[in-house]
Amino acid sequence: DTAVSQTPKYLVTQMGNDKSIKCEQNLGHDTMYWYKQDSKKFLKIMFSYNNKELIINETVPNRFSPKSPDKAHLNLHINSLELGDSAVYFCASSPRGEQFFGPGTRLTVL
Amino acid sequence: RKEVEQDPGPFNVPEGATVAFNCTYSNSASQSFFWYRQDCRKEPKLLMSVYSSGNEDGRFTAQLNRASQYISLLIRDSKLSDSATYLCVVPVQRQNFVFGPGTRLSVLP
Repeated sequence: DTAVSQTPKYLVTQMGNDKSIKCEQNLGHDTMYWYKQDSKKFLKIMFSYNNKELIINETVPNRFSPKSPDKAHLNLHINSLELGDSAVYFCASSPRGEQFFGPGTRLTVL
Repeated sequence: RKEVEQDPGPFNVPEGATVAFNCTYSNSASQSFFWYRQDCRKEPKLLMSVYSSGNEDGRFTAQLNRASQYISLLIRDSKLSDSATYLCVVPVQRQNFVFGPGTRLSVLP
């Protein structure tokens, strides 16, 4: 009965690779988000999707692309991974303001 | 002024103590606010929503001062399980939120 799930939980990869992180929510929420939490623990919003429409796109590199096949899924694809991409990525969903977070994906780029 | 600022902490308090954290925000148009807690290596979890002047839930009380643009979180009768990082969250526009840097709390036996 997991509300917001992410896969994989850990991802270790080499610089230059392309990787995807998947997110699914079974709460029926309209809006989903991707956040990045860096080594200093700052949590910053990357993207927001509302009914399959991107409504926020923060100033993240265009190597990052969110993809939403349906209302319950928001995947994050990252091209040409760089060392600075190492962080924990959280997916979240929200009916209004309150957000429900997934367990996070710890990405390490070597 | 940064969009959201919080007491840097860490706060180290004994069990049973009362502790308060402050959060200031710069966007005067923000209407609702949130407190989340984040345990080490875990995801943030919603603690309280603040839509008007304040909100109370058991040992936790959140207060909002719109004139001074700050939100506070008061924890009474601290428990060991309250040890976590507390994040203040402010909406800055529709579906866009700014998280504060967090205040770390350690409740000591």
